[in-house]
Amino acid sequence: QKEVEQDPGPLSVPEGAIVSLNCTYSNSAFQYFMWYRQYSRKGPELLMYTYSSGNKEDGRFTAQVDKSSKYISLFIRDSQPSDSATYLCAMSFTNSGNTPLVFGKGTRLSVIA
Amino acid sequence: EAGVVQSPRYKIIEKKQPVAFWCNPISGHNTLYWYLQNLGQGPELLIRYENEEAVDDSQLPKDRFSAERLKGVDSTLKIQPAELGDSAVYLCASSPGVNTEAFFGQGTRLTVV
Repeated sequence: QKEVEQDPGPLSVPEGAIVSLNCTYSNSAFQYFMWYRQYSRKGPELLMYTYSSGNKEDGRFTAQVDKSSKYISLFIRDSQPSDSATYLCAMSFTNSGNTPLVFGKGTRLSVIA
Repeated sequence: EAGVVQSPRYKIIEKKQPVAFWCNPISGHNTLYWYLQNLGQGPELLIRYENEEAVDDSQLPKDRFSAERLKGVDSTLKIQPAELGDSAVYLCASSPGVNTEAFFGQGTRLTVV
């Protein structure tokens, strides 16, 4: 079992839909959780960064962490064609910058106009 | 502020040939990472630098891969000799060293034929 599991999709939704992207993890030592967006032939860009269990909202994006279930989610409201990309979850043990990120495989999302 | 800069963007070489990638991190970022991303996979860490010191290179195939970060700024990653299985995207990232937010470059897409 990999440390971080993420459904690779692909996921196709109509414009305006609510999108739910999820990751599970096996190591309870993970404390910091991130979501990256990666457009085709580009590097990953950081979307959301969370620490505690609960929700964090930023515009149309909401990150949710449930440490008891070792489960994290990213919700996208009112999805747009420009949201079409691969979404990678990532996590680390500390926030010191001294531990590497462990990534999921990524979920490819297509938002159809 | 300029982001992480990588070059070249694309490289095609024949197997057994050497190849080198270059990375210029965000100014002031002490931590530098090289990640490998295979098609349909999340990035996997190859090596991490704190200033000029390689502090985590356990995943670097040292028989053919080498890296350096002179003066704690720019970094190069070299493969010699390249194998067909090395075809992938090589991502460089940097972080300030005080949190886990890693900022990625565009990547170098290597094709070994």
